[in-house]
Amino acid sequence: ELKVEQNPLFLSMQEGKNYTIYCNYSTTSDRLYWYRQDPGKSLESLFVLLSNGAVKQEGRLMASLDTKARLSTLHITAAVHDLSATYFCAVAYPNTDKLIFGTGTRLQVFP
Amino acid sequence: NAGVTQTPKFQVLKTGQSMTLQCAQDMNHEYMSWYRQDPGMGLRLIHYSVGAGITDQGEVPNGYNVSRSTTEDFPLRLLSAAPSQTSVYFCASSYVLGSAQETQYFGPGTRLLVL
Repeated sequence: ELKVEQNPLFLSMQEGKNYTIYCNYSTTSDRLYWYRQDPGKSLESLFVLLSNGAVKQEGRLMASLDTKARLSTLHITAAVHDLSATYFCAVAYPNTDKLIFGTGTRLQVFP
Repeated sequence: NAGVTQTPKFQVLKTGQSMTLQCAQDMNHEYMSWYRQDPGMGLRLIHYSVGAGITDQGEVPNGYNVSRSTTEDFPLRLLSAAPSQTSVYFCASSYVLGSAQETQYFGPGTRLLVL
C-alpha cells in the first residue's frame, strides 16, 4: 500500500527565511505532484515531477524528486506572506492513475 | 473556458437520502477524478476515469458510484448518505496523467453536510 508522509505538518516562518518541506512515500513511483491550497479555496497545481532527479522552479518555490530515496522536497526561498497556504504532495501508484495525497503542510509566513 | 465546474456548492442531506454531485469540464481532458477532503487527512481519491466509459476505484469508493458517459461530465452519486460522508468534495481533470502536458485542474468544491 502506498503511503505518503509530509513534514512538517505546520510551519511558521519569518519573511525572508528559507525552509524545506519534505514528502516521503513508501513504494516505487516516478510521478509526484505538488499543490497549493488557500483557506476555503480549491487546489492549484504547482509542479509535476516525472522522473528521477527532476527539478522545477517557479518564483520562490523549487521542487525536486529523488525516486531512489522516495523523497521529494519543496524548497522555499526568502519567504513572503503571499506564500502562506497549505501545500500538498501527491504520488501516483505505479502504472496507474491513482494519486495518494499527503496530509499537507500548513505554512504561515509572518513579518 | 469555464474550466472545472461543480454543482451544488453546498448541500445538506438527511441520513439515507441520495444525491448526485455534478462535475463538468470544457478542456477536453481525458482524466477526471473525485476526491474528498476531511480535516487533517488531506485529499482521498474516491473514483477516477481515464476516458468516457472507463472508471475505476480510488482509496475510498464505498458508498459512492460514478459513471462517465461523455468526456465532459463525471457525476458522483451518493447512494444512501451517512454522516461519515460529511466532507468537502473536489472534482479534478487533466490530460492523461504522466503526460508532459499534465496539470490537474480542480473544481471549486462542494461542501456536503449529512445530518
